[in-house]
Amino acid sequence: QVQLVESAGGVVQPGRSLRLSCAASEFTFNIYAMHWVRLAPGKGLEWVAVISYDGTYKYHAHSVEGRFTISRDNSKNTLYLQMDSLRAEDTAVYFCARAYRGAWHYFEYWGQGTLVTVSS
Amino acid sequence: QSALTQPRSVSGSPGQSVTISCTGTSGDIGGYNFVSWYQHHPGKAPKFVIYDVSERPSGVPDRFSGSKSGNTASLTISGLQVEDEGDYYCSSYAGNSFYVFGTGTEVTVL
Repeated sequence: QVQLVESAGGVVQPGRSLRLSCAASEFTFNIYAMHWVRLAPGKGLEWVAVISYDGTYKYHAHSVEGRFTISRDNSKNTLYLQMDSLRAEDTAVYFCARAYRGAWHYFEYWGQGTLVTVSS
Repeated sequence: QSALTQPRSVSGSPGQSVTISCTGTSGDIGGYNFVSWYQHHPGKAPKFVIYDVSERPSGVPDRFSGSKSGNTASLTISGLQVEDEGDYYCSSYAGNSFYVFGTGTEVTVL
């Protein structure tokens, strides 16, 4: 059974940084694209970023472009999200998700999510 | 990248059918057949229930069906069951490797 486990989030002050990780297991990590998606309180899901299977291609939503960076270490079966210059509006549950087969367009398996709260 | 528009809530009795709409633009739903749907129970991992507008992933019951017309996609749950309660989100490819989700719909089984 595919397993995706996000690292603990936490409370972070505005302007500070936080790195999330997502440990993948029970599948061949290095052949799948991976996504980050977030769910802010009282709002809907929001796509954050995607990375190709080998890390060559990375795309970020306009709302986080220049502040967040997606990356991966295939030797450790781990996905990362480096979040810098955090804002109150970044407060959300962050999910990592595996893309569906060879298509980037779908989010087949998800982690349970980790809460990041940006507050002073 | 504006969120796709969904009704805030829909409800139905067990055995009935409910349909959730998801309205976007020609830049997302209207321009691509890469529409998908997700079921989410708060506190749990979302579940992938429809892709390619109307295809069901393995293991998803056939009471879940999807369709699209113009800039609007729809998810229909037929033969509603108690376990179908939860939040449902649509998603679409929006070009240039960007993706957009819907505002979410809460399904209640009466």
